[in-house]
Amino acid sequence: AQTVTQSQPEMSVQEAETVTLSCTYDTSESDYYLFWYKQPPSRQMILVIRQEAYKQQNATENRFSVNFQKAAKSFSLKISDSQLGDAAMYFCAYRRRASGTYKYIFGTGTRLKVLA
Amino acid sequence: GAVVSQHPSRVICKSGTSVKIECRSLDFQATTMFWYRQFPKKSLMLMATSNEGSKATYEQGVEKDKFLINHASLTLSTLTVTSAHPEDSSFYICSASRGLQTKNIQYFGAGTRLSVL
Repeated sequence: AQTVTQSQPEMSVQEAETVTLSCTYDTSESDYYLFWYKQPPSRQMILVIRQEAYKQQNATENRFSVNFQKAAKSFSLKISDSQLGDAAMYFCAYRRRASGTYKYIFGTGTRLKVLA
Repeated sequence: GAVVSQHPSRVICKSGTSVKIECRSLDFQATTMFWYRQFPKKSLMLMATSNEGSKATYEQGVEKDKFLINHASLTLSTLTVTSAHPEDSSFYICSASRGLQTKNIQYFGAGTRLSVL
């Protein structure tokens, strides 16, 4: 069975600085998707970034980028130029690519605090 | 695009009553919808996967008769908490996936906070 581990329950970053959130996963599959979702105090889950396992290139979305290390089964999220609005819970998620299986497996989350 | 609406956002009910939560995909057809439960400061726990026109697939440990899921159309899934008890109080979140040829992204509703007195 697949598992997703986020070992940092809480992180803090100074405004305008860079922070990296870690995520590791365990799977025997070779093809899958990985996601980072943000859950602000409103509780609305928002997709931050998505990575396809067959792509070697790390995904980037503006100030957000990932460091995808497939062999190490690591999928960290880097937030550059942190803003107060980045404060939220961040969840890493895994999904098999195989058709017919669409469910996500979520990590336990990392609470990010942004200090002014 | 890809907006998922969940209603109500908050509901308070008496013990023993049933509560229905709706999840609608507003601008796309969702062949698959998911229902999650989230405890305070915890991760999302998948309760069931709902496919349009067929019975929902429940995760291990989730009572099918307690949490009734209906996915009657490509834009609407409902979760009914039957004979609710205080231990059912929680935050319930739905999500929707666009279909087979998708970017495999789930789009989430804003959640429903259920409080059972």
